Amino acid sequence: DTGVSQDPRHKITKRGQNVTFRCDPISEHNRLYWYRQTLGQGPEFLTYFQNEAQLEKSRLLSDRFSAERPKGSFSTLEIQRTEQGDSAMYLCASSSNQGGTETQYFGPGTRLLVL
Amino acid sequence: AQSVTQLGSHVSVSEGALVLLRCNYSSSVPPYLFWYVQYPNQGLQLLLKYTTGATLVKGINGFEAEFKKSETSFHLTKPSAHMSDAAEYFCAVSERNRDDKIIFGKGTRLHILP
Repeated sequence: DTGVSQDPRHKITKRGQNVTFRCDPISEHNRLYWYRQTLGQGPEFLTYFQNEAQLEKSRLLSDRFSAERPKGSFSTLEIQRTEQGDSAMYLCASSSNQGGTETQYFGPGTRLLVL
Repeated sequence: AQSVTQLGSHVSVSEGALVLLRCNYSSSVPPYLFWYVQYPNQGLQLLLKYTTGATLVKGINGFEAEFKKSETSFHLTKPSAHMSDAAEYFCAVSERNRDDKIIFGKGTRLHILP
């Protein structure tokens, strides 16, 4: 299976701890997206990369959140000093904008619980 | 700003009955429209999308949706529900010149009754 993968699938942490999530996109995709999904809501855009460049960040992305895609392949999303309100599913998606309308393909998500 | 409204957070239909999930959008520019499905503990899977051209769009698993500009709607239908269709369905919109940024609705959970 060469779809989008995310690691870990589940993370439980205590308030104030730092956590890091990883996303591996479909190999030929140049765009990578992070979304947050809380219970009963649709995914909300956080940020996206084209190759290694971070092109846009949502206002939802506070200064405790940082994302990187150093070599234009996998990406990491770090949350520092976690808060209970950070509990959510963090979804990664990838796409290619080369040729036609892009379709975003989603990974299975990382479910974060902050105690 | 773009937005999506999904009517009904929960919809129940009997197995074999018609599925109709409603979606209305708001966009100041011609939109791209999407329906995604999410099964429990999984990511989102694209069912279908409308970009340009034919307003009736066919997707996977027997689903289809019709873009109606005059009604600003993009309702999802399936003639005969199957138990495996039970899932959460999300309607989404993006701008034609910004198909990198998708705005999702809050979702509709579809329940299939035996």
